[in-house]
Amino acid sequence: NAGVMQNPRHLVRRRGQEARLRCSPVKGHSHVYWYRQLPEEGLKFMVYLQKENIIDESGMPKERFSAEFPKEGPSILRIQQVVRGDSAAYFCASSQSTGGPDTQYFGPGTRLTVL
Amino acid sequence: AQTVTQSQPEMSVQEAETVTLSCTYDTSESDYYLFWYKQPPSRQMILVIRQEAYKQQNATENRFSVNFQKAAKSFSLKISDSQLGDAAMYFCAYRRNNDMRFGAGTRLTVKP
Repeated sequence: NAGVMQNPRHLVRRRGQEARLRCSPVKGHSHVYWYRQLPEEGLKFMVYLQKENIIDESGMPKERFSAEFPKEGPSILRIQQVVRGDSAAYFCASSQSTGGPDTQYFGPGTRLTVL
Repeated sequence: AQTVTQSQPEMSVQEAETVTLSCTYDTSESDYYLFWYKQPPSRQMILVIRQEAYKQQNATENRFSVNFQKAAKSFSLKISDSQLGDAAMYFCAYRRNNDMRFGAGTRLTVKP
């Protein structure tokens, strides 16, 4: 199964700690998207990246959140100094391109709990 | 801004019967894509069906079909012969290029 992989699946952090969420896209996909899902809500777009570039970060909070997609290795969503409101499920998706009928394929998500 | 509205927070269907989930969206664009995703308790987002806006023909995938009304900006999902495994949250989504928006979801319960 060469689908989108995310790790860890569950992450517990105390307030003020850092959270690092990893996403390996489908092999051959160069477009990665991060979404956040609060309980009983739909997914909210955070950031869209291509290799080594952030294309659209309009949905990402300006402070404490950052994302990268290096030339080698997985995409990383980093949350510094976590607060209880950061508790959510974070989903990564990948696609081969942005145009046309290309579908975004989702990973299983990382559930972040901030104590 | 493009918004996606799912007006039914919860729906219930008897096993083997048919259910329709509603979705409307708001856009000024003419070229876009619409999706239905299923999210079971495992939280995995699973693509159910996809519709290209330029196609008039409604998409169909086995027991799943859509009623796409472009002028009305409506994109409902019909599940025929419902099965217990269909129980999940269903999310309608709109995408144009890298902009993807999701509705708030409809929780589908299937009664045996």
